[in-house]
Amino acid sequence: GAVVSQHPSRVICKSGTSVKIECRSLDFQATTMFWYRQFPKKSLMLMATSNEGSKATYEQGVEKDKFLINHASLTLSTLTVTSAHPEDSSFYICSASLRDGGYGYTFGSGTRLTVV
Amino acid sequence: ELKVEQNPLFLSMQEGKNYTIYCNYSTTSDRLYWYRQDPGKSLESLFVLLSNGAVKQEGRLMASLDTKARLSTLHITAAVHDLSATYFCAVAVGSMRFGAGTRLTVKP
Repeated sequence: GAVVSQHPSRVICKSGTSVKIECRSLDFQATTMFWYRQFPKKSLMLMATSNEGSKATYEQGVEKDKFLINHASLTLSTLTVTSAHPEDSSFYICSASLRDGGYGYTFGSGTRLTVV
Repeated sequence: ELKVEQNPLFLSMQEGKNYTIYCNYSTTSDRLYWYRQDPGKSLESLFVLLSNGAVKQEGRLMASLDTKARLSTLHITAAVHDLSATYFCAVAVGSMRFGAGTRLTVKP
């Protein structure tokens, strides 16, 4: 089945540094990828929609200069948290639309970001 | 703006009992998803419901979709401890929007 690989699974960084999270579709081409953020014991909040070769579409209230999204190829999207602060600590999850006729979405394994 | 409302938010059940989780959504969509999430993990796909009247079953879980009422249900039959997790419904209109989640605890 379709697999989305997300890396790293956990990262701890210092305040003020930047962190890059990668999301790869391993056996299919993902023209559209989505980035979500999840606070503890809360639901998933859509941050942005990433289309290959074009600028990401950010949801209202999400700082595009803070959360840089790049979707340079059909198999890779990256989220960079710039100048991280403790309030950016969260669980970040990517997903890809399969467009396989079943309208499935597959999710990465998530990245636990802790900013100290 | 698409809204997805899920209830209950918390559900404590005894093993062997039945219960239903409800998911209402605010705009027309014929794609409704159910996911399971274990603590510290990502989402596991349970069901994709694509049409009005769709019903799918897997083990002790059964999901249904009524697009006219904009309602989906996830029915749990004879719950077992292994079903303890958080369950999310989600609606896709372009991108996917999630309900708040139902934290299910199944007690012996």
